[in-house]
Amino acid sequence: RKEVEQDPGPFNVPEGATVAFNCTYSNSASQSFFWYRQDCRKEPKLLMSVYSSGNEDGRFTAQLNRASQYISLLIRDSKLSDSATYLCVVNPNTGNQFYFGTGTSLTVIP
Amino acid sequence: NAGVTQTPKFRVLKTGQSMTLLCAQDMNHEYMYWYRQDPGMGLRLIHYSVGEGTTAKGEVPDGYNVSRLKKQNFLLGLESAAPSQTSVYFCASTNTPLGSYEQYFGPGTRLTVT
Repeated sequence: RKEVEQDPGPFNVPEGATVAFNCTYSNSASQSFFWYRQDCRKEPKLLMSVYSSGNEDGRFTAQLNRASQYISLLIRDSKLSDSATYLCVVNPNTGNQFYFGTGTSLTVIP
Repeated sequence: NAGVTQTPKFRVLKTGQSMTLLCAQDMNHEYMYWYRQDPGMGLRLIHYSVGEGTTAKGEVPDGYNVSRLKKQNFLLGLESAAPSQTSVYFCASTNTPLGSYEQYFGPGTRLTVT
């Protein structure tokens, strides 16, 4: 079983729509969770860390569900500039490694 | 403050040739990582280092070697390149893998092995 699994999409949504991505992780002891954004042919960049209580940054909301072992990312009022691949990243707290999901592709359509 | 830099940006190798990819960071980070990214596979860890003079294997280490002689540099070597090593290689660094510390990525090296 993979450490981190994501629906690869693609998600094609109109501007202004709300879209949500989920990511599941296999190690229940995992402590650190992140969403990274990757633009085409560019390096990943941190979008937001995911805290136990959930956190919000403008139009973006991240939540953690430890019981079901998944994290989610909600994007409200989608912009054209939100088009990218969103990577779920987990540190299982068993060493010094991070595990990446395969990414979810989002295209926001005018 | 350049962050994380990688050289070269692009390279084409013939099967059996060797090369070294250089990663440099100016943030005084202890932890450095080499990943490869292939379509549909996500980022997979090749090797990593928890400090100067240390290295460890990741998920897909075969065919690669690494060295961390200086804290700011992390080198990835391919001794005898194979077409299966055609990929985009990313280097990353962080203060610590614990907590919510961010990994900072270099711009990537696109390697093609023919």
